[in-house]
Amino acid sequence: GAVVSQHPSRVICKSGTSVKIECRSLDFQATTMFWYRQFPKKSLMLMATSNEGSKATYEQGVEKDKFLINHASLTLSTLTVTSAHPEDSSFYICSASAVGGYTFGSGTRLTVV
Amino acid sequence: GENVEQHPSTLSVQEGDSAVIKCTYSDSASNYFPWYKQELGKGPQLIIDIRSNVGEKKDQRIAVTLNKTAKHFSLHITETQPEDSAVYFCAASGGFAQAGTALIFGKGTTLSVSS
Repeated sequence: GAVVSQHPSRVICKSGTSVKIECRSLDFQATTMFWYRQFPKKSLMLMATSNEGSKATYEQGVEKDKFLINHASLTLSTLTVTSAHPEDSSFYICSASAVGGYTFGSGTRLTVV
Repeated sequence: GENVEQHPSTLSVQEGDSAVIKCTYSDSASNYFPWYKQELGKGPQLIIDIRSNVGEKKDQRIAVTLNKTAKHFSLHITETQPEDSAVYFCAASGGFAQAGTALIFGKGTTLSVSS
């Protein structure tokens, strides 16, 4: 079945630095990828929708300059958390629509210290 | 946009009992309703889904029912086992075939199955 590989699974960074999270579709082409954020014991909140070759569409309240999304190819979408602060600490998950439904990455636990 | 409500937030059952989780959605255009199981520190795993052209779907101990008129759908787990303990999320979307249509999730239900 369709597989999305997400890396890294865990990352700890210092305040003020930037972190890049990658999601790759391994056996299919993902025209559209979705990025979610999940706080502990909370639901998955849609952050943005990225389409290959165009600018991402951000949900209301999500800072596009802080969460940079790039979808330069049909198999790779990246989320860069810029100038990270402790409040950006969260679980980030990507998803892609594929034949038969949606497939999710395994998530990235970001801790900003 | 779509809004998905999920109840209950927590559910405790004895092993062997049935568990039911209910969700309602707001957008009548939504036509795809998956259920996910999420274990701590992992991404959500699809357990069953249903499309708007059917009212019920079953896969062994798991079943999902959909009432389009009332805009609600439910997850039924029979003969629960301790390994069913996890957080379950319902979701809705306008359909995976529509490019750019994201899944919108309910708030989740923490299911605890005690032996």
